[in-house]
Amino acid sequence: EAGVAQSPRYKIIEKRQSVAFWCNPISGHATLYWYQQILGQGPKLLIQFQNNGVVDDSQLPKDRFSAERLKGVDSTLKIQPAKLEDSAVYLCASSGGIGTYNSPLHFGNGTRLTVT
Amino acid sequence: ELKVEQNPLFLSMQEGKNYTIYCNYSTTSDRLYWYRQDPGKSLESLFVLLSNGAVKQEGRLMASLDTKARLSTLHITAAVHDLSATYFCAVEANFGNEKLTFGTGTRLTIIP
Repeated sequence: EAGVAQSPRYKIIEKRQSVAFWCNPISGHATLYWYQQILGQGPKLLIQFQNNGVVDDSQLPKDRFSAERLKGVDSTLKIQPAKLEDSAVYLCASSGGIGTYNSPLHFGNGTRLTVT
Repeated sequence: ELKVEQNPLFLSMQEGKNYTIYCNYSTTSDRLYWYRQDPGKSLESLFVLLSNGAVKQEGRLMASLDTKARLSTLHITAAVHDLSATYFCAVEANFGNEKLTFGTGTRLTIIP
């Protein structure tokens, strides 16, 4: 099966600019996640979708970050305006959905964002 | 707030040796995952541990879970260079919601 697809692979922007990331999950996976991984740290969950509804966005900095999953498939994550501390790898992951107990998350290759 | 701690953070070991990575977490959970991450790459699922006493093995890696002690271990047997990577444990805070909290990771370097 095809894996989780993300684009772009790399992005360099200046602070205060905006940026958007795209994710296409594994076909049929109901749950989609965006994680932020700062260099040298473990991934931190930003937002979790079940189909096109938000399950958890408690750690999403809503003053600058937004995410949507229209039609319950693809998702975009946007940062506006970006800050230096947003430099990180943004990982998208998908899974079979809440209740599929033996399903690990499948991660994409990530988008490496550098804010200068 | 769930906290997940791994130790050591860095581990350099010789080929052929055995070692263990530890993962401690702060709240009750019955589900724990181990992932591997190569430099510049994404995370690859290694093990899913679903209950107290669970033990999974794949090649030279063996993972176990003690939910009473809130501890998981990843044991490496007779290490080979290909195992060099960063290893993360991740804990599901509430059973069934699939929200994972990751540890800080253990960067493992195998020296020939």
